[in-house]
Amino acid sequence: GAVVSQHPSRVICKSGTSVKIECRSLDFQATTMFWYRQFPKQSLMLMATSNEGSKATYEQGVEKDKFLINHASLTLSTLTVTSAHPEDSSFYICSARRPGNSDTIYFGEGSWLTVV
Amino acid sequence: QQQVKQSPQSLIVQKGGIPIINCAYENTAFDYFPWYQQFPGKGPALLIAIRPDVSEKKEGRFTISFNKSAKQFSLHIMDSQPGDSATYFCAASSTGAQKLVFGQGTRLTINP
Repeated sequence: GAVVSQHPSRVICKSGTSVKIECRSLDFQATTMFWYRQFPKQSLMLMATSNEGSKATYEQGVEKDKFLINHASLTLSTLTVTSAHPEDSSFYICSARRPGNSDTIYFGEGSWLTVV
Repeated sequence: QQQVKQSPQSLIVQKGGIPIINCAYENTAFDYFPWYQQFPGKGPALLIAIRPDVSEKKEGRFTISFNKSAKQFSLHIMDSQPGDSATYFCAASSTGAQKLVFGQGTRLTINP
């Protein structure tokens, strides 16, 4: 079964509003989580690395004020898309590093965001 | 230096055939090489992973071959089935770097 869960799986929001996506590690504590964006038929684009209790590290070109990431606990990271616009419509996927085997990374089921 | 190059971009194989997907990297610090399978509208699922201390790893019908000197690794799917039709991504990371570097993906179709 899934070890990383995302919610919601699909969300539609109006342009100008904000939307929050949650990522939870279900049976382990994840000190590090990652947020990706994926366009149709393309590879995964890393947006940011989220470390529990500290600020996220954003990849070059990703607007940190637009994509707010919070990793307040060892099992939950959130991505908030602020002042969403239609061009923010995409598939957002989180992943979490499972401790004990430091390089095993599990992905969530993804969240489809449509901004209308 | 951070790139992982994956080929082919798409692949069509008859049921029972052995599709092979290849990846190449430049960064010699990479020491972890996973493969992920992604179905449309779903997140990637970890299939199998290998470290440079072995040249081959097999899990069920999936086999990774690793060539450290050539800096290449590949995924073989034995006795392929239509249900294996998906997009496959190779990736690489190095100890301490945390993040994965992904290949471009291969869209695999297994015809019945």
